[in-house]
Amino acid sequence: DIVMTQSPDSLPVSLGERATINCTSSQSVLHSSNNKHYLAWYQHKPGQPPRLLIYWASTREFGVPDRFRGSGSGTDFTLTISSLQAEDVAVYYCQQYYRASITFGQGTRLEIK
Amino acid sequence: EVQLVESGGGLVMPGGSLRLSCVVSGFSFSNAWMNWVRQVPGKGLEWVGRIETHVEGETTDYAAPVKGRFLISRDDSKNTLYLQMNSLQIEDTAVYYCSLGANKTNTDYWGQGTLVTVSS
Repeated sequence: DIVMTQSPDSLPVSLGERATINCTSSQSVLHSSNNKHYLAWYQHKPGQPPRLLIYWASTREFGVPDRFRGSGSGTDFTLTISSLQAEDVAVYYCQQYYRASITFGQGTRLEIK
Repeated sequence: EVQLVESGGGLVMPGGSLRLSCVVSGFSFSNAWMNWVRQVPGKGLEWVGRIETHVEGETTDYAAPVKGRFLISRDDSKNTLYLQMNSLQIEDTAVYYCSLGANKTNTDYWGQGTLVTVSS
C-alpha cells in the first residue's frame, strides 16, 4: 500500500491568513501514461461527507473557491488556503488514487487561531 | 445532481452481521467504480473496499482489516451498492460512506454516511 503522511496534524491559523498543509506519499503517484499525479484533497466537516476539493494534484473541483490551491509533484504535495475563512474550519485529507486500493493521509485539523 | 443514499446501519453485537445499501441517482451507476470508506469515531478516513463495473467483471478488492469478513456487491438494475459485513468486531464501529468514482478520482461523490455500532 502507498502510505500517505500529512503535516501538521493540527494547524491553528488566524482569519485572513494563509494555511499550508503538506502531504508526502511513500512512492510516486505520477502515472507515466498521462503524466498526471493521482493525488486528491478532501475537506471534511462534522456531520457531512467528505468534499472533493482538488484532483490531479492541482485541478480545483467545480464550485471550490479559488483561495484553495493544490500543488506539488512526485511524492510531495501541498494544499494552500490563501486567506482563511471561518467556513474553512475542517479536517483536510490527502488521498492517492494511483493504486485502486486508495489510501488517505491521517488528516490535518484546521482551526481558527 | 448526483446523489448517494446509504441505509442499513445500526447497533449489532460482536460476531453479528449487517448489510448496508447505497442507492445512487443522477449518474450512470453501471459505469462507475464504487467504494466503501469508513471513519471510526475520532479517527481518519479508511478505505474499506471497491467494486468495479459489471463489464470489468465486478472485480472487488478489500482493505486488510476487513478481507474475508466483508463482501461488496452491486445490482445495476437497482442502481444499488451493498456491503455485507460479517463477523463484526468492536473496531468496525464507524460511519460508513459509499462513494462513486466518476472521471476525476475513485471517490468523486459521497453519501451522507450510515453509522454502524458494534457493541454488546
